[in-house]
Amino acid sequence: DAGVIQSPRHEVTEMGQEVTLRCKPISGHDYLFWYRQTMMRGLELLIYFNNNVPIDDSGMPEDRFSAKMPNASFSTLKIQPSEPRDSAVYFCASSLTRTGTSGRLEQFFGPGTRLTVL
Amino acid sequence: AQSVTQLDSQVPVFEEAPVELRCNYSSSVSVYLFWYVQYPNQGLQLLLKYLSGSTLVKGINGFEAEFNKSQTSFHLRKPSVHISDTAEYFCVMIGGFKTIFGAGTRLFVKA
Repeated sequence: DAGVIQSPRHEVTEMGQEVTLRCKPISGHDYLFWYRQTMMRGLELLIYFNNNVPIDDSGMPEDRFSAKMPNASFSTLKIQPSEPRDSAVYFCASSLTRTGTSGRLEQFFGPGTRLTVL
Repeated sequence: AQSVTQLDSQVPVFEEAPVELRCNYSSSVSVYLFWYVQYPNQGLQLLLKYLSGSTLVKGINGFEAEFNKSQTSFHLRKPSVHISDTAEYFCVMIGGFKTIFGAGTRLFVKA
């Protein structure tokens, strides 16, 4: 398996523009997580999905952020409008929770998207 | 309330010396515990995990950790570190339906 795939790897945009980050989880995984990492705040969980359904979005900073998972193999995190303080590395991770499976509960992280908002 | 506390934000150590990165947790339910490592400009990867069974868990790159239920700790150890171990290390707890990350410990290995 190719692992968790994120695109783009780098994004530079201007304040006020819409930004869409994309994630393809590992095939068969039932949980998907979006994280944000900054020097100031460290690693923050933004939202996670179970079987494509959002379970906890309490980490989403404000209404400018939204996330969707239209099917088991794709998720997006959208920021509209973007602001300089949104600059960070955004990670997507997926995991499998089914009992008896190898690697159960381990979160597999993608390489991240480095977002710079000017 | 559930929480994970990594007691040291930074740990400097000389190459070939032993190291211990400390992690304490708090939870009223049974937990699963993990250590992840993040090398510069990379995503996180699993070092080791405790789900059940033996309380001494061995992971990749010579790391090990011991689950101590009475002390509510899951400290990470390596008997002899290398320059390449310089990274940030995260202790993670899954309790109930919540995944909680510690704040991270930056390990600096000096020559």
